[in-house]
Amino acid sequence: QVQLVQSGAEVKKPGASVKVSCKAAGYTFTDYNIHWVRQAPGQGLEWMGWINPKSGDAKYAQKFQGRVTMTRDTPITTGYMELSSLKSDDTAMYYCAREATTIGSAEFDPWGQGTLVTVSS
Amino acid sequence: DIVMTQSPDSLAVSLGERATINCKSSQSILYRSNNKNHLAWYQQKPGQPPKLLIYWTSTRESGVPERFSGSGSGTDFTLTISSLQAEDVAVYYCQQYYTTPRTFGQGTRLEIK
Repeated sequence: QVQLVQSGAEVKKPGASVKVSCKAAGYTFTDYNIHWVRQAPGQGLEWMGWINPKSGDAKYAQKFQGRVTMTRDTPITTGYMELSSLKSDDTAMYYCAREATTIGSAEFDPWGQGTLVTVSS
Repeated sequence: DIVMTQSPDSLAVSLGERATINCKSSQSILYRSNNKNHLAWYQQKPGQPPKLLIYWTSTRESGVPERFSGSGSGTDFTLTISSLQAEDVAVYYCQQYYTTPRTFGQGTRLEIK
């Protein structure tokens, strides 16, 4: 079935970078955009950006411009989100999610299980 | 950016009763080319990722119980649970996918009274 499986939890020091992976299965990887959403502890959902796996083009939320990079490795159907210059308030659960259709904009389905990133000195 | 505002922030409803959650967008999310409002609802239970419930404002995702329904148009939308079950305790989020950045409401926590 269609699923996204993310890499495991990470603990990083302030100023470091983290790279989270999102392995796609059960569908043609290059046909659907992948989005990244984060959720700080006890807080709501915050959209970070998306990548078109076919072209590699990515678009980022203004808040993360210059600090986030979304890439993909099509032979292994995996997307990546790298966040640099980490601060304590980057501590959050990071989710990848697939856009549900191949044409136009759409809802997110399915979601990965989440990757907890903890930033602490 | 389109701001999505949900009300209330939290809600307590008795089992078997109706629960209603509202979502308002700061501008219309009606896409004229397909006459559809680009609005989705998600359910998130503790320790789980969000789960898609409804898209295009009112289309239930496969497997979602019929007690969940969505309505609205333009800038005002509603998620209704017709008869609350214990397993519906969760946080509910609306999301617009009309434009980038994709934005979410702040969430509504639904509990049993």
